[in-house]
Amino acid sequence: DVQMTQSPYNLAASPGESVSINCKASKSISKYLAWYQQKPGKANKLLIYDGSTLQSGIPSRFSGSGSGTDFTLTIRSLEPEDFGLYYCQQHNEYPWTFGGGTKLELK
Amino acid sequence: EVQLQQSGPEVGRPGSSVKISCKASGYTFTDYVMNWVKQSPGQGLEWIGWIDPEYGSTDYAEKFKKKATLTADTSSNTAYIQLSSLTSEDTATYFCARGGPNTSLFAYWGQGTLVTVSS
Repeated sequence: DVQMTQSPYNLAASPGESVSINCKASKSISKYLAWYQQKPGKANKLLIYDGSTLQSGIPSRFSGSGSGTDFTLTIRSLEPEDFGLYYCQQHNEYPWTFGGGTKLELK
Repeated sequence: EVQLQQSGPEVGRPGSSVKISCKASGYTFTDYVMNWVKQSPGQGLEWIGWIDPEYGSTDYAEKFKKKATLTADTSSNTAYIQLSSLTSEDTATYFCARGGPNTSLFAYWGQGTLVTVSS
């Protein structure tokens, strides 16, 4: 199985700041990396797929980059609703696997 | 609006089985696969498998082949996961998640169902 490693584990930031979350795959997954947001009491949300394609309805302050084994999720000008957990997922090969998560907290 | 409404929390005894439901609305149920994902307490996400409601075909992660059984009822637009031979390691929140924009992604998620294994 493809192992996905996220960093950092925790991230503290203030509204208006920009942050980046990294995801590293144990082998090349081409461009097939997705990002999800998880917040208490809300359904998980698909943000980005194919490394950099923004899911419909997701604000443009979210962006993704990378290919092969190294990927980054960047959130520009953080809004209060952006704080929560973020997971990467490789969608290149079975079984689909997720990173361990990054908790984005309010500083 | 796509909605996935999951059944309520379950408590199962070790060695028993539980069955969770996921009722879909807001789209044509047979147009998309339905995935199931496990989240153990304080842990990340694990993909369990998917079912194609139109054909009833399924695929499972190797780890869950003997643990989970996925079914779907097209008359009620409901997907199910049955977890058998419960152990403490099965204590987790289980999510249904509709596929899309392609079958390898999880475009819409249910709210999650907590399964607690306890004697």
